Amino acid sequence: DIQMTQSPSSLSASVGDRVTITCRATQGIRNDLGWYQQKPGKAPKRLIYAASSLQNGVPSRFSGSGSGTEFTLTISSLQPEDFASYYCLQYNSFPRTFGQGTKVEIK
Amino acid sequence: QVQLQESGPGLVKPSQTLSLTCTVSGASISSDDYHWSWIRQYPGKGLEWIGAIHYNGWTYYNPSLKSRVTISVDTSKNQFSLNVNSVTAADTAVYSCARGGERGYSYWGQGMLVTVSS
Repeated sequence: DIQMTQSPSSLSASVGDRVTITCRATQGIRNDLGWYQQKPGKAPKRLIYAASSLQNGVPSRFSGSGSGTEFTLTISSLQPEDFASYYCLQYNSFPRTFGQGTKVEIK
Repeated sequence: QVQLQESGPGLVKPSQTLSLTCTVSGASISSDDYHWSWIRQYPGKGLEWIGAIHYNGWTYYNPSLKSRVTISVDTSKNQFSLNVNSVTAADTAVYSCARGGERGYSYWGQGMLVTVSS
């Protein structure tokens, strides 16, 4: 199985800050990676697919990069509505696996 | 608009079987392009992928749960179902169904809390 290691597990940031979250895969997954945002009591919402493609309707301050085993989600200027948990998901092979999540909190 | 909705008991006794159904609307479950998955989330914790099914009967289960999990599909009702047997308190979680494709999971149900308790 492919394991996804996501870091950090939590971070505190201020509105306007640039935020970076990383996921590392235990083996190469090409660009078969998505990033999801989850708010309390809600289903995860896809932000990025294919490592760097922005989901329709998602603000351009979100961006993704990487290929192979190293991936990054960047929020260029954190907004109040971005305080949430973020997960990466690899869909290169079964079983699908998620990163452990990153909780973005208000500083 | 594709929608998924989980249904089933919210309380299950230890050692019994957890059974949930996901009803899909706005899309046919009999599509070659998608598989249909169950994913769970422990309270305050991360996401665990349980398994997936294609309408043609193909299934794949998480090896950590494989011995206790069965996923089935009913194309006539546009539904798929999850059974987890011999449950314990460790199976208490929010269970969600989702549609999977070549770009990951685009549509999710709202999730349903299932508590295992006597």
